[in-house]
Amino acid sequence: DGGITQSPKYLFRKEGQNVTLSCEQNLNHDAMYWYRQDPGQGLRLIYYSQIVNDFQKGDIAEGYSVSREKKESFPLTVTSAQKNPTAFYLCASSLLQGTGYGYTFGSGTRLTVV
Amino acid sequence: KQEVTQIPAALSVPEGENLVLNCSFTDSAIYNLQWFRQDPGKGLTSLLLIQSSQREQTSGRLNASLDKSSGRSTLYIAASQPGDSATYLCAVKKGGGNKLTFGTGTQLKVEL
Repeated sequence: DGGITQSPKYLFRKEGQNVTLSCEQNLNHDAMYWYRQDPGQGLRLIYYSQIVNDFQKGDIAEGYSVSREKKESFPLTVTSAQKNPTAFYLCASSLLQGTGYGYTFGSGTRLTVV
Repeated sequence: KQEVTQIPAALSVPEGENLVLNCSFTDSAIYNLQWFRQDPGKGLTSLLLIQSSQREQTSGRLNASLDKSSGRSTLYIAASQPGDSATYLCAVKKGGGNKLTFGTGTQLKVEL
């Protein structure tokens, strides 16, 4: 079945560590996105990519980095510069053309600073 | 800047009741609007997508409507069940771009 796989489901980070969240899709979607979700707040866009080897900052990119070396993969690194990384992270993908196509989301990664 | 608001923030209803969730957006130049469901600790599941040229979409007990000119969408759930308990999110895609802007959601609880 086609879909988006995020791993790990739970991740614990020590102060000063960089951690990488994985996102893989087999939907042949062009675009991929990373969102952060905090209690009581809507989803906020971190980074997005519409094509391999290209990506753009979203609304809250500081302290995060991404790469898009393959169409299927869009990993997110939470760096030590992100001061409040504890949150639920969601990856999504979509086609680029056509009004009839929406987003597909993964199951999320919960990151906790210990 | 597009802003999306969902009212109410939380809703508790008895099983079997028909209910309406509301979503409003400030910029009517949208490409489409998507309704999602999120269970606690889970990702988002797409329920319905309404293109900008459409007025409504239906799937089973769910019906979503779109009024672009007034910047509103409603999600109608018929004959609610305890399994419908979840957070419902609406999101709009602006014309000319692919980014979604999300509302903060309505947390629904359907009680026996």
